[in-house]
Amino acid sequence: GEDVEQSLFLSVREGDSSVINCTYTDSSSTYLYWYKQEPGAGLQLLTYIFSNMDMKQDQRLTVLLNKKDKHLSLRIADTQTGDSAIYFCAESLRNTGFQKLVFGTGTRLLVSP
Amino acid sequence: EPEVTQTPSHQVTQMGQEVILRCVPISNHLYFYWYRQILGQKVEFLVSFYNNEISEKSEIFDDQFSVERPDGSNFTLKIRSTKLEDSAMYFCASRRLAGGRSSTDTQYFGPGTRLTVL
Repeated sequence: GEDVEQSLFLSVREGDSSVINCTYTDSSSTYLYWYKQEPGAGLQLLTYIFSNMDMKQDQRLTVLLNKKDKHLSLRIADTQTGDSAIYFCAESLRNTGFQKLVFGTGTRLLVSP
Repeated sequence: EPEVTQTPSHQVTQMGQEVILRCVPISNHLYFYWYRQILGQKVEFLVSFYNNEISEKSEIFDDQFSVERPDGSNFTLKIRSTKLEDSAMYFCASRRLAGGRSSTDTQYFGPGTRLTVL
């Protein structure tokens, strides 16, 4: 079955790197996404990676995928107070035509000055 | 930049009442979705909709729920007789293409409607 797990909370200081981790259970080919949710706002797509890739970098964001361990991480370099939000890992599955997204619990990132 | 919009931002209703949550997807998108997030829990898929019909629905999406695209721009979620446990944030999302080669097309989410059932 599909299950996506994340740690609930991460606290870092401004300027440090943040690493948010996610594990998933379904081994079928999949896209994996990171969404950001600020207070009172919707889900903003940050980046995504396909399961045949190991890494993707987009400015301050680096996504690492360990397919063997079904582990995904999001690294935010030079974290800013504006990065404080909830970060959701999500997967979409080939066997659903990549239609529905299965979300993790979300990791609340708190960046202190 | 085009975005998904949802109205109202907050809806308060009495148990047993019908509610309609409204969404305006991005204009050239073809796939539409509803998700919900009960406070403190995961975002859960409810239903996907394409070509004027439901393409997939979850176990949550029982006979109390229905979706409709009444015109060329709106996409609605109706809950016929609300229960206390329907209290949640409801997110609408849309996607440009239908998958296959375009599977990298992602779902864009609206800001959500917070439904409170008393």
